[in-house]
Amino acid sequence: QVQLVESGGGVVRPGRSLRLSCAVAGFTFSSHGMHWVRQAPGKGLEWVASIWYDGNNKNYVDSVKGRFSISRDNSQNTVQLQMDSLRVEDTALYYCARGGNSSKYAYYFDYWGQGTPVTVSS
Amino acid sequence: DIHLTQSPSSVSASVGDRVTITCRASQGISTWLAWYQQKPGRAPRLLIYAASRLQSDVPPRFSASGSGTDFTLTISSLQTEDFAIYFCQQANSFPFTFGPGTTVDFK
Repeated sequence: QVQLVESGGGVVRPGRSLRLSCAVAGFTFSSHGMHWVRQAPGKGLEWVASIWYDGNNKNYVDSVKGRFSISRDNSQNTVQLQMDSLRVEDTALYYCARGGNSSKYAYYFDYWGQGTPVTVSS
Repeated sequence: DIHLTQSPSSVSASVGDRVTITCRASQGISTWLAWYQQKPGRAPRLLIYAASRLQSDVPPRFSASGSGTDFTLTISSLQTEDFAIYFCQQANSFPFTFGPGTTVDFK
């Protein structure tokens, strides 16, 4: 079955970096766009970044542009989120999510991991 | 950015009730809308995509409709496992945005 497992979260000081990773299984990874969505404690959902199935197109929410970078390795079935210059407001549970079947539905998130927590605090 | 609002913010209901949640977009998004369900401590689950298409394995008591700026999610007969928070999400344009959520809890 489809599985997404995030890792790499932790507690860091403001200004430091973290690299999140999401390992997937159970589907043809190279056929799906992948996304990161975050949820601050007790808050709603916020889309963070997306990467096309082939890695050739990437998009970010404005608040992370220039600080976060999404990438993928289709040979290893993994997607990463490099987070630099972290801020207190980046504190959240970070979910990896799969884009839907077909390019038409690529921006619906049909499978999610359980999330990895990131806490940015001095 | 496209802003999504949801109403009500919370609804108290009983098993067997019909529940309707509304999502409104700040500009037209055609049918580029999804609905998710989230239970405490769990990841969100896709229920509906393309405004009205039922995701596989989602019970048919869930239905949705709408286009443009106004959308609805309906649970025809609320079950115990449906008590959760429901979010809408627009996939029309970047940045993708979510509604603030509607909590469905026990009356």
